[in-house]
Amino acid sequence: AQSVTQPDIHITVSEGASLELRCNYSYGATPYLFWYVQSPGQGLQLLLKYFSGDTLVQGIKGFEAEFKRSQSSFNLRKPSVHWSDAAEYFCAVGAADSSYKLIFGSGTRLLVRP
Amino acid sequence: DAGVIQSPRHEVTEMGQEVTLRCKPISGHNSLFWYRQTMMRGLELLIYFNNNVPIDDSGMPEDRFSAKMPNASFSTLKIQPSEPRDSAVYFCASSIGQPGTEAFFGQGTRLTVV
Repeated sequence: AQSVTQPDIHITVSEGASLELRCNYSYGATPYLFWYVQSPGQGLQLLLKYFSGDTLVQGIKGFEAEFKRSQSSFNLRKPSVHWSDAAEYFCAVGAADSSYKLIFGSGTRLLVRP
Repeated sequence: DAGVIQSPRHEVTEMGQEVTLRCKPISGHNSLFWYRQTMMRGLELLIYFNNNVPIDDSGMPEDRFSAKMPNASFSTLKIQPSEPRDSAVYFCASSIGQPGTEAFFGQGTRLTVV
């Protein structure tokens, strides 16, 4: 069965510092992978997705993620964090069956120090 | 497009009462998902519709929960009778139902059962 693991529950970084959020997936074939962001009281907004092709994908708000098949990882990165990036981040994998449902990780809460 | 629209945004009800949550998916999307988000369990998929037909309801916690999609532009999630442990944020999401496509989320309904 497909699954997603986000090993870090909380991460705190200083404003202007770089960021990497980890995501590992379990899947038998080439996965569809997504990163979403959720601000307090809001729904989930798509940051970026990997479908095929270039393993380094660019997203909105200056985020990027790299798909590494050998490590079953899809880590999210940002070179310089802004205070407005404080939110919860979810990694998700697209289901293999015809439902195309998304299976989410447990999320990583990002705190940004001024 | 206005995106996925959910109502109400907040609902407070007494234990034992019936609760109905509503969702209007994005026009042209043929897949609709109901998720529940809690601190303890994260994001759980409750049920998924494709072309208005329920495909997978294995995530519905018990018979007190039911969902309908009478047409392509409207879905409801009903809890009867409600219990305090149903308190959560309920999200509706829709997608075009193709491989690798993302789901678009509504703002959610925060349900509190007292």
